[in-house]
Amino acid sequence: EAQVTQNPRYLITVTGKKLTVTCSQNMNHEYMSWYRQDPGLGLRQIYYSMNVEVTDKGDVPEGYKVSRKEKRNFPLILESPSPNQTSLYFCASSPLAGFSSYEQYFGPGTRLTVT
Amino acid sequence: GQNIDQPTEMTATEGAIVQINCTYQTSGFNGLFWYQQHAGEAPTFLSYNVLDGLEEKGRFSSFLSRSKGYSYLLLKELQMKDSASYLCAVRGVRENTDKLIFGTGTRLQVFP
Repeated sequence: EAQVTQNPRYLITVTGKKLTVTCSQNMNHEYMSWYRQDPGLGLRQIYYSMNVEVTDKGDVPEGYKVSRKEKRNFPLILESPSPNQTSLYFCASSPLAGFSSYEQYFGPGTRLTVT
Repeated sequence: GQNIDQPTEMTATEGAIVQINCTYQTSGFNGLFWYQQHAGEAPTFLSYNVLDGLEEKGRFSSFLSRSKGYSYLLLKELQMKDSASYLCAVRGVRENTDKLIFGTGTRLQVFP
């Protein structure tokens, strides 16, 4: 089954404790992206990657890091989480060919709470 | 600047028709998407418009007018399971890069 998976689905952590949210897709998509979703603000892009070893900042990259060492994986790293990073996080992927017309496939989401 | 506007909430009755509007102002335009998102779940793709006109897909239709910066999603024969948020997203250009920009979503509640 074609899908995007994220782990963990739920996480409660404390300020300053480094964490990684994993994202993996099995569709051989070149493009991958991380979003956060907050009430009243909609989906905002954190980072995206056009291919292996190619990453770039989205609209709200502060406090986050990413890496793309393999095509299928795109982990999101919070080196020192803070309470304002409490949010619902989505990973998404899409093919690059004919990029503009392709919808993004979203993972199930990771609900992160930082206390 | 980049801006996408859609109503925050709408209500409708089972079996009825509802139209959710979206207006946008973006730098460049490479298409408009509608996604459905049930509470706490991932967005799922509904439709894509890049040319003016109406695209019909079963009970759902989407319309685009590029000159007016306007789109709508039309849901017919509403069912209770259509209660969800509907996200309008425009593929535009931000900082010289192709970007998918999301509106804040319209929460639709369908009542019996």
